[in-house]
Amino acid sequence: SQQGEEDPQALSIQEGENATMNCSYKTSINNLQWYRQNSGRGLVHLILIRSNEREKHSGRLRVTLDTSKKSSSLLITASRAADTASYFCATGLSNSGYALNFGKGTSLLVTP
Amino acid sequence: GAVVSQHPSWVICKSGTSVKIECRSLDFQATTMFWYRQFPKQSLMLMATSNEGSKATYEQGVEKDKFLINHASLTLSTLTVTSAHPEDSSFYICSARDIWEGSYEQYFGPGTRLTVT
Repeated sequence: SQQGEEDPQALSIQEGENATMNCSYKTSINNLQWYRQNSGRGLVHLILIRSNEREKHSGRLRVTLDTSKKSSSLLITASRAADTASYFCATGLSNSGYALNFGKGTSLLVTP
Repeated sequence: GAVVSQHPSWVICKSGTSVKIECRSLDFQATTMFWYRQFPKQSLMLMATSNEGSKATYEQGVEKDKFLINHASLTLSTLTVTSAHPEDSSFYICSARDIWEGSYEQYFGPGTRLTVT
């Protein structure tokens, strides 16, 4: 069953602005991952944060994890038009060989 | 980096026919591969976990007789959609984990778009 829930469902910003997406989940996890998907394409892994980590950075990406609130956020700073895509959070299912349970995603539009 | 390929990238077939989709890990070995399905403007839903040398594990609501999965080697898993119907039209994506890596990271294929007419 779908575990992660992202909000907002859609986000439209201008280039240079920051974009923040949130994800909530329901059960205990050992890791949470964020992926990007361009329209009709495969997924690109952005960042993985383990359950014992609170914050992680990768380039213009910053991910936080609050296991007490069962939530995570993805911040993209100084956004670019090329960041336009759908962003999904996913949690690992330890009883399924670590298959991923994906949230519904946030559709981000960055306009020049 | 690890690469996963899928073939074909898109396929159109007539209702009632079967379609096979291949998922290959090109530069690493994967004892476990996963198959997901994504309907337009929706998220990915796990269909099944494919284990090399053993039967696949299907998620609730996924018909194992309709979606046949074979994981014959450490680098290849196939998904066959049998007697396809228009409602099977979807984007099918596979992923794989590197067995030698200690991380949880999965590598995704580019997806296969299936259209059943």
